[in-house]
Amino acid sequence: DSGVTQTPKHLITATGQRVTLRCSPRSGDLSVYWYQQSLDQGLQFLIQYYNGEERAKGNILERFSAQQFPDLHSELNLSSLELGDSALYFCASSLGQLWDEQYFGPGTRLTVT
Amino acid sequence: GENVEQHPSTLSVQEGDSAVIKCTYSDSASNYFPWYKQELGKGPQLIIDIRSNVGEKKDQRIAVTLNKTAKHFSLHITETQPEDSAVYFCAADQGAQKLVFGQGTRLTINP
Repeated sequence: DSGVTQTPKHLITATGQRVTLRCSPRSGDLSVYWYQQSLDQGLQFLIQYYNGEERAKGNILERFSAQQFPDLHSELNLSSLELGDSALYFCASSLGQLWDEQYFGPGTRLTVT
Repeated sequence: GENVEQHPSTLSVQEGDSAVIKCTYSDSASNYFPWYKQELGKGPQLIIDIRSNVGEKKDQRIAVTLNKTAKHFSLHITETQPEDSAVYFCAADQGAQKLVFGQGTRLTINP
């Protein structure tokens, strides 16, 4: 158990809908990262937050957004969902210093029908 | 940007033998190289990492080597056990704390 929690575990929704994925980092970690894992694209970095502020952005679609709250939990919002958004979404956390270890949560499996 | 290539994509070894997985990266500015193990239905688990000021790091049966000149790093697992069966990912940092992952290696340990 990494100490990172994610809810929900599974999510099934229809195209065009909007969903919110939630992540709580390990105790003491200030940084949260979101990754998408799909069969064809592998593990891809989406976005990083550090102590409430966006720090780095990866291949995140405009339909996706995230935020980190004062209690350091983070939410990833996915809107106008398409079939291709079906994937595993992982949250990871770290202390937030350069080259810190990132610890992954168990993931949320999103299925868009 | 950073590109990480990982080989082989599948690897099957006899229990007790060694397994080696290799990765190459493209960005000479990368300095942090973690390895993750992912079991079915679980999130990636950090098993070992290496930073650019070190050439080799060992933790019990697992070791990682780094050749910055050639831009490649490898994971070595000795005395493999059935519980080592999983998908292994290498990664390299791309500026600050963004990680770029390899495509993964499915390791199967045959009893």
